[in-house]
Amino acid sequence: SQQGEEDPQALSIQEGENATMNCSYKTSINNLQWYRQNSGRGLVHLILIRSNEREKHSGRLRVTLDTSKKSSSLLITASRAADTASYFCASQLSGSARQLTFGSGTQLTVLP
Amino acid sequence: DGGITQSPKYLFRKEGQNVTLSCEQNLNHDAMYWYRQDPGQGLRLIYYSQIVNDFQKGDIAEGYSVSREKKESFPLTVTSAQKNPTAFYLCATESGTGAYSNQPQHFGDGTRLSIL
Repeated sequence: SQQGEEDPQALSIQEGENATMNCSYKTSINNLQWYRQNSGRGLVHLILIRSNEREKHSGRLRVTLDTSKKSSSLLITASRAADTASYFCASQLSGSARQLTFGSGTQLTVLP
Repeated sequence: DGGITQSPKYLFRKEGQNVTLSCEQNLNHDAMYWYRQDPGQGLRLIYYSQIVNDFQKGDIAEGYSVSREKKESFPLTVTSAQKNPTAFYLCATESGTGAYSNQPQHFGDGTRLSIL
């Protein structure tokens, strides 16, 4: 079964606005990763945040991790039409021998 | 991802037929993974291999088989025992070593399998 649950399932915003996606997980993790998938393509890694980290930035992306709430969020600032894609969180569970458990994803549409 | 090649891009399976999906990598990564993605869903792990000549079942291994004879190659066979094989199949690699890794996975562009 999927460990990660993502919220919202779909998000539609205007270009220039910020987009926030949330991910929850159920058991302790080694790290949590965010990936992007364009339609019909493979996944592209965005950010990895370790269990002892609380926030990480990469360009217009900001990821937070709250291990007490077992949740993470991905913020995309100043969104562009090219950001339209599905976004997935994936947790590497403690003791899981490097397996990732993926959430069901958020479909982001950025309108020009 | 330029370093991981999945072929074919589209594949059709007839009733009772086994089909093999190819995954080749030139990233020199030890670990390789096969995932299945159904429409509107996340990825589910089928099999993974952390080293040549060794592989482990994932969450949905029934009806699938793999081999890892070379570091560069991790083919997936969808057998006739898999009754609902229509899905998007993704291969991934990872560079980490040891029991835990803080390395991301790198993905190929997938193979879409359909039933004839």
